[in-house]
Amino acid sequence: GQNIDQPTEMTATEGAIVQINCTYQTSGFNGLFWYQQHAGEAPTFLSYNVLDGLEEKGRFSSFLSRSKGYSYLLLKELQMKDSASYLCAVANFGNEKLTFGTGTRLTIIP
Amino acid sequence: KAGVTQTPRYLIKTRGQQVTLSCSPISGHRSVSWYQQTPGQGLQFLFEYFSETQRNKGNFPGRFSGRQFSNSRSEMNVSTLELGDSALYLCASSATPGANVLTFGAGSRLTVL
Repeated sequence: GQNIDQPTEMTATEGAIVQINCTYQTSGFNGLFWYQQHAGEAPTFLSYNVLDGLEEKGRFSSFLSRSKGYSYLLLKELQMKDSASYLCAVANFGNEKLTFGTGTRLTIIP
Repeated sequence: KAGVTQTPRYLIKTRGQQVTLSCSPISGHRSVSWYQQTPGQGLQFLFEYFSETQRNKGNFPGRFSGRQFSNSRSEMNVSTLELGDSALYLCASSATPGANVLTFGAGSRLTVL
C-alpha cells in the first residue's frame, strides 16, 4: 500500500516564505502532484514532479527526492489568498490512480 | 471552456435511502474519476471510468457504484446510505486515463441523517 504524510496545519505571515513537506512510502513511484484547495472549492492542480529536483512556477516551487520519499511545496511572497489546504498526491505504476495525503491547512496571517 | 460540473451541489438524505450524483467532464475529456473527501481521511479514490468502462476501483463497499455514458458524463450511486457516507464527493476529469493531472468539480456535499 501507500502511506503519505503531511502536517495537518501550518500558519505563516503575509509576505513571508513557507515550506510544506510531504513524505511518502510507495512501490513503483510514478510522480508526485500538489493541489491547492480553498475552503468550499474544488482542488486545483499546482505542480507535478517525476524526477528529482526543483520545479519552479512563479511564487510556487515544488521539490522531489525519490530516494528519500520526500517532497516539499515552497510558497514565496505569501498573500492572504494563499490561505487554503495543500494536498500532496502520489502516482505509482500498476495502480493508475492518485493517492492523496490528508492535506495541510495553511493559514496566512497579516 | 466549461469546467467539470457536478450536480447536485448539496443534498440531505436519511439512512437507508439511496443517492445518485452526476458529473459532466470538461469537453473532450473521456476519463472521469470519483473521490470521497472527509475531514479525517482526506480524498479517497472511489473509481475511474474511461470510454464507458470502469478501469480502476478503490476500497469501498459494493453500495458504491458508478457508470459512464457515451458522452463521457458519469454518475455515481450510493445505496442503503449510512451516516458515515456523509462527505464531499468530488468528480475529476482528464483527457487520458490513469494518474494524470486532474481537473476537479466543486463537488456534491452529501449529508446523511
